[in-house]
Amino acid sequence: DAGVTQSPTHLIKTRGQQVTLRCSPKSGHDTVSWYQQALGQGPQFIFQYYEEEERQRGNFPDRFSGHQFPNYSSELNVNALLLGDSALYLCASIRGQDTRSYEQYFGPGTRLTVT
Amino acid sequence: AQSVTQLGSHVSVSEGALVLLRCNYSSSVPPYLFWYVQYPNQGLQLLLKYTSAATLVKGINGFEAEFKKSETSFHLTKPSAHMSDAAEYFCAVSPSGSSASKIIFGSGTRLSIRP
Repeated sequence: DAGVTQSPTHLIKTRGQQVTLRCSPKSGHDTVSWYQQALGQGPQFIFQYYEEEERQRGNFPDRFSGHQFPNYSSELNVNALLLGDSALYLCASIRGQDTRSYEQYFGPGTRLTVT
Repeated sequence: AQSVTQLGSHVSVSEGALVLLRCNYSSSVPPYLFWYVQYPNQGLQLLLKYTSAATLVKGINGFEAEFKKSETSFHLTKPSAHMSDAAEYFCAVSPSGSSASKIIFGSGTRLSIRP
């Protein structure tokens, strides 16, 4: 059973460019969350998708947007990249209706470097 | 607003010694609390979780944590440290009653193990 997978593993972009990161949830999971982890800090919640809609959003600007596909996979898009966007981007998944489990599974992350 | 505070950004113990990582939480409602571990260049792995059942929670790899409402604490312990325990540890909180809610992480504690 594959866990949460993310692509690419590493990415280098230039300021002002746009980037798309991808996430495939764990089998059986329908809810995907994205987190940004800056170097030396804890992850910060960006947003969550369920049933192809954004359900919750953290304190991130509109430059950060996302999408969820019918197969539950998800994309994170960041426009007009800033140096401060350099971070590890983590995807987490859970079966949204299973309140007994309460364990979000995290992927290995995508390391984004903005130069 | 909910938050967690991890006391000590870096903890160093000798192999075989007691591991104690401190976490205090702030929440206006009964919270769900978590400890995650992150090994270098990897994603997050759930060590244990408190979801308002038993106050002493046992997790993987010999770790356990005790929920103390009177002290608003959820400290992580392990009786005997192994070299393989060297990693970054994150305490986290989430609103209760919502399995897929966003997770709020602390800033992390780096655990080093001395031979």
